[in-house]
Amino acid sequence: GNSVTQMEGPVTLSEEAFLTINCTYTATGYPSLFWYVQYPGEGLQLLLKATKADDKGSNKGFEATYRKETTSFHLEKGSVQVSDSAVYFCALSDLSLLIWGAGTKLIIKP
Amino acid sequence: GAVVSQHPSWVICKSGTSVKIECRSLDFQATTMFWYRQFPKQSLMLMATSNEGSKATYEQGVEKDKFLINHASLTLSTLTVTSAHPEDSSFYICSARQGTYEQYFGPGTRLTVT
Repeated sequence: GNSVTQMEGPVTLSEEAFLTINCTYTATGYPSLFWYVQYPGEGLQLLLKATKADDKGSNKGFEATYRKETTSFHLEKGSVQVSDSAVYFCALSDLSLLIWGAGTKLIIKP
Repeated sequence: GAVVSQHPSWVICKSGTSVKIECRSLDFQATTMFWYRQFPKQSLMLMATSNEGSKATYEQGVEKDKFLINHASLTLSTLTVTSAHPEDSSFYICSARQGTYEQYFGPGTRLTVT
């Protein structure tokens, strides 16, 4: 069946460091891929998405490229801030449902 | 736009009692609503999908009689945890979708059963 695997956390970085959170998936067909973010005490928010191979989703300095050949959708940011501290979830859409990764907690230290 | 609210945001109840959680789409009509459960340090687990006016579709392993879901209108769905037990303590999150558009998530409800 379809599944999403993302790197375990927590990931701890210093401010202005480069961020990569790995996400790989298994799926039949051509799913859409998403990154959601959950800030402390808040609900889930869609961060970015890509609907087809080679698409790049971007938002708030974050980027992720839909790589069909490696079945990956890694999240990257060139220079993280303390305010980026949150839990990040990778997900894919399976017809009308979302399949979730386990989430990666990101901690940014000043 | 696309705001989903949940009420209450936090509830404590005694073991054996029932508690109702509301999920509302504030500025759009949600043809489909989803209920998730999130355990500490774990991902979201889809509990059920409900379409307005229809019975909810529960995921495997989710007890229908324990987690009653009602989607009575296009802006409101409720989850009732019946005869709650401490193991039901969790963070419950709803999401709402209009047609095939993306899901919008509520802020979640933390349930603690004592």
